[in-house]
Amino acid sequence: QKEVEQDPGPLSVPEGAIVSLNCTYSNSAFQYFMWYRQYSRKGPELLMYTYSSGNKEDGRFTAQVDKSSKYISLFIRDSQPSDSATYLCAMSVNAGNMLTFGGGTRLMVKP
Amino acid sequence: GAVVSQHPSRVICKSGTSVKIECRSLDFQATTMFWYRQFPKQSLMLMATSNEGSKATYEQGVEKDKFLINHASLTLSTLTVTSAHPEDSSFYICSAQGARSTGELFFGEGSRLTVL
Repeated sequence: QKEVEQDPGPLSVPEGAIVSLNCTYSNSAFQYFMWYRQYSRKGPELLMYTYSSGNKEDGRFTAQVDKSSKYISLFIRDSQPSDSATYLCAMSVNAGNMLTFGGGTRLMVKP
Repeated sequence: GAVVSQHPSRVICKSGTSVKIECRSLDFQATTMFWYRQFPKQSLMLMATSNEGSKATYEQGVEKDKFLINHASLTLSTLTVTSAHPEDSSFYICSAQGARSTGELFFGEGSRLTVL
């Protein structure tokens, strides 16, 4: 079993939909959680960064962490075709530690 | 956010030659740099971790003599693929972390290597 599980998709939604992307993990020591967006043939771009449990909102993006369930989510409101990309979750035990990545979910937002 | 520049973005080389990829942190001092390899439609696979001024730490299964990593300064790390073979064709991505990092990683744009 992988340390971090993420549905590979592809997830196809119409423009304007609310998108929910999720990761589950097995290591209860993870404390730092990140979401990266990767466009085709580009390096990943940091979208959201959260520490411990709770919600964090930034524009159309909301990151949720539920440490009791070992489950994290990224919500995208009013999705746009430009949101079409692969979304990677990542987490670490300590700040500055190596990240453990999920496999990535490919999202397609259709106009 | 912090900027990490990677060069070249694309390189095509003949089998048996060596290729160098550079990773630069443009607006911060990167005490740690990571090199990843990514196959099509797959996630990032960590190859090695390098700290400025010391030898890189390679992940299991990664040949250190084939993938030479140098982190000679706080803003530059290089990955050299030696005696490249077609199976080395891949997308290589670097990321950098500063001394005061709280865990975020900033990635370069990636380099697509094609070995003929």
